Amino acid sequence: KQEVTQIPAALSVPEGENLVLNCSFTDSAIYNLQWFRQDPGKGLTSLLLIQSSQREQTSGRLNASLDKSSGRSTLYIAASQPGDSATYLCALQGGSEKLVFGKGTKLTVNP
Amino acid sequence: NAGVMQNPRHLVRRRGQEARLRCSPMKGHSHVYWYRQLPEEGLKFMVYLQKENIIDESGMPKERFSAEFPKEGPSILRIQQVVRGDSAAYFCASSPAGLGSREQFFGPGTRLTVL
Repeated sequence: KQEVTQIPAALSVPEGENLVLNCSFTDSAIYNLQWFRQDPGKGLTSLLLIQSSQREQTSGRLNASLDKSSGRSTLYIAASQPGDSATYLCALQGGSEKLVFGKGTKLTVNP
Repeated sequence: NAGVMQNPRHLVRRRGQEARLRCSPMKGHSHVYWYRQLPEEGLKFMVYLQKENIIDESGMPKERFSAEFPKEGPSILRIQQVVRGDSAAYFCASSPAGLGSREQFFGPGTRLTVL
């Protein structure tokens, strides 16, 4: 059974800082990994999707990496801004279609 | 191209009533997924449907919950005789058929409150 852990549960940083969010998983037999952003009371916005055969994906100030052998993924956010404040969710898709989510990291970027 | 649509956005029910949540997938998507987010919990998979077929309902509670995705119209998640523990945000996601990234796109959710 796939288990996904995100550490830390909450993170507070000053504006402009570079930061890394961590996601670990127990079963390396995955099809892809998605990082989402969730604002309070809102739905999920897909940020990046990494296929099993890929090592990383980049979009603007975001870079996500995937290391299946160690069961880890990281989301790197460069030059953080107050607008980046949200909960970031990591989700894995294995042989079945369903996504298995971590509980998320709540990020606060202080002006 | 409109995204995944869910309605209602907020739903209040009294214990024992029925709740019906609707989801219209993105245009061209024929796979629908329902997830539930309980307060202070992560999102949990409930059910995966294709048109007129339930593919995987391993996350659905055995009683009171049902889902359908008819040939025409939206997918419906139905909760009978709601209890306070059903209060949660229910998210629908869709993905296109066939091979590919299988990326799932999420709707804004329906927040169910049971009084």
